[in-house]
Amino acid sequence: NAGVTQTPKFQVLKTGQSMTLQCAQDMNHNSMYWYRQDPGMGLRLIYYSASEGTTDKGEVPNGYNVSRLNKREFSLRLESAAPSQTSVYFCASSRQGDTEAFFGQGTRLTVV
Amino acid sequence: DQQVKQNSPSLSVQEGRISILNCDYTNSMFDYFLWYKKYPAEGPTFLISISSIKDKNEDGRFTVFLNKSAKHLSLHIVPSQPGDSAVYFCAASVPGTYKYIFGTGTRLKVLA
Repeated sequence: NAGVTQTPKFQVLKTGQSMTLQCAQDMNHNSMYWYRQDPGMGLRLIYYSASEGTTDKGEVPNGYNVSRLNKREFSLRLESAAPSQTSVYFCASSRQGDTEAFFGQGTRLTVV
Repeated sequence: DQQVKQNSPSLSVQEGRISILNCDYTNSMFDYFLWYKKYPAEGPTFLISISSIKDKNEDGRFTVFLNKSAKHLSLHIVPSQPGDSAVYFCAASVPGTYKYIFGTGTRLKVLA
């Protein structure tokens, strides 16, 4: 049982480049989330999808877009990467928002 | 506006003693609280949770206390073990939105 799988694990981008972070869960969860972790800032919610077919902004959505492709997959896209988006990105899923969320291993992104 | 606050960035405790990690929140509408543990280069893992209708929840060495009037929760680890050394995040669930808001984390170091 893989849980939450994120790809890639590491990525270096040049300023202005675009990329998509992939996330898939195999727990039949309804809700999925993207967080970023920065030193001293904790985990901040970028976007979330309460259920298949819906997406909503979190605390720090600027510069990002998301797609809930199906119940299993939730991708995060950076259209024009900026150095301020250098961070560790975590995808998570939960059965619903009133139960615990399960996290992937993270993607370490560096924008130069 | 940080709705979930962990004011102690770090904490050191001797092995065998009690570790107390604290968390404050500002939104009285939060109805579910969680603690996560995070090791370096890994995703956060769920530790323990508590519903707003309770004031205590216990799971082995871990106990979470909730004081709604003070908008404060704490995680007690007894006895502390070196393997407990990690970053601990508290999180709160926003009712009706299926999203979690995380604190900034406390780095716990258990000294052997």
